[in-house]
Amino acid sequence: DAGVIQSPRHEVTEMGQEVTLRCKPISGHDYLFWYRQTMMRGLELLIYFNNNVPIDDSGMPEDRFSAKMPNASFSTLKIQPSEPRDSAVYFCASSTGTRMNTEAFFGQGTRLTVV
Amino acid sequence: AQSVSQHNHHVILSEAASLELGCNYSYGGTVNLFWYVQYPGQHLQLLLKYFSGDPLVKGIKGFEAEFIKSKFSFNLRKPSVQWSDTAEYFCAVNSQGRRALTFGSGTRLQVQP
Repeated sequence: DAGVIQSPRHEVTEMGQEVTLRCKPISGHDYLFWYRQTMMRGLELLIYFNNNVPIDDSGMPEDRFSAKMPNASFSTLKIQPSEPRDSAVYFCASSTGTRMNTEAFFGQGTRLTVV
Repeated sequence: AQSVSQHNHHVILSEAASLELGCNYSYGGTVNLFWYVQYPGQHLQLLLKYFSGDPLVKGIKGFEAEFIKSKFSFNLRKPSVQWSDTAEYFCAVNSQGRRALTFGSGTRLQVQP
């Protein structure tokens, strides 16, 4: 298995532009998580899905952020319009739902820089 | 709500020294506990996890952790660190009511040769 795949690995964009981050979870996993990592705030959960349905989006910073999971093998995190304070590494992770103690597997992350 | 505290933000050790990183969690119910490692420029990888049974858990690369329920703690240990252990270490928790992991702020470990 190729693991959780995120694209792009790096993204540099200008303030005000739309940014779309993509994630392909591990096949068969029915939970998908989006996290943001910054020096100041560490690893924060943004949103997570179960069977393509958003379960908890309370970590989404504001309306500029949106996430979708149109099918079991693909999810997007969109920021529109982007701001410099959105600069961070965004991680996607997936896990199976059969047992609570199964770990989350993380992707390589997308390093976003908004200038 | 769940929360995780890691009190050591930056630890510097010499090779062969012993390591103990603290982790305390706050949650009244049954929890699952995890330690993840993030090598420079890489993604998070699981070191070990605890969900029930023997409170002393052994993980990869010689790491172990002990769950002490009365202290709400899950400290990570390694008897002898190597330069290659230089990384950031994250403690995390989830529970029956919340599937997503809640992470601590992380501990940056620097091992000097």
